[in-house]
Amino acid sequence: AQKVTQAQTEISVVEKEDVTLDCVYETRDTTYYLFWYKQPPSGELVFLIRRNSFDEQNEISGRYSWNFQKSTSSFNFTITASQVVDSAVYFCAPPNQAGTALIFGKGTTLSVSS
Amino acid sequence: DTAVSQTPKYLVTQMGNDKSIKCEQNLGHDTMYWYKQDSKKFLKIMFSYNNKELIINETVPNRFSPKSPDKAHLNLHINSLELGDSAVYFCASSQGWGATEAFFGQGTRLTVV
Repeated sequence: AQKVTQAQTEISVVEKEDVTLDCVYETRDTTYYLFWYKQPPSGELVFLIRRNSFDEQNEISGRYSWNFQKSTSSFNFTITASQVVDSAVYFCAPPNQAGTALIFGKGTTLSVSS
Repeated sequence: DTAVSQTPKYLVTQMGNDKSIKCEQNLGHDTMYWYKQDSKKFLKIMFSYNNKELIINETVPNRFSPKSPDKAHLNLHINSLELGDSAVYFCASSQGWGATEAFFGQGTRLTVV
């Protein structure tokens, strides 16, 4: 059975620090997609990125970067020079076993203080 | 233009009542979902519809009944509300399922008193 783990429940950093959020996805599938979502204090769920298990190159978008390592089943998310506006719950989300919907990890709450 | 919109945003009701939450998407997507987020922020899939056909019906009490009148709408009706139904309910849509990103509505915070 598949399993998604976000071991970090809460992380607190000070502005301008770099922070990495961990996600481990265990599955027997050889190819799959993984997604990251952000839920700021206002409550909406915002799609951040989709990555394919074939692609282990780092993906960079502004201050955000993602590192996918199939050998360790990890799909980590790094925020460089964090800002207060980055404070949110971040979810890692693979598809369910049947591939019919996304299932969500328990989320990591990131608090960035000024 | 809001891509996925839910109404109402807040819903406070008494135990035993019946209520509905409406969802509409203007993205032209063929798949819509209902998720439930509990007080610990855990998000769980409830239902999924593809082209108005039920694809996923997770272990949800049959007091919850989704209705999809067309591809752009997926409403959630809840009968005989219980205290444990208090949560935030999110509607979402995607083009296809599984391997495509889902776009979420702003959520409906349901409080049963």
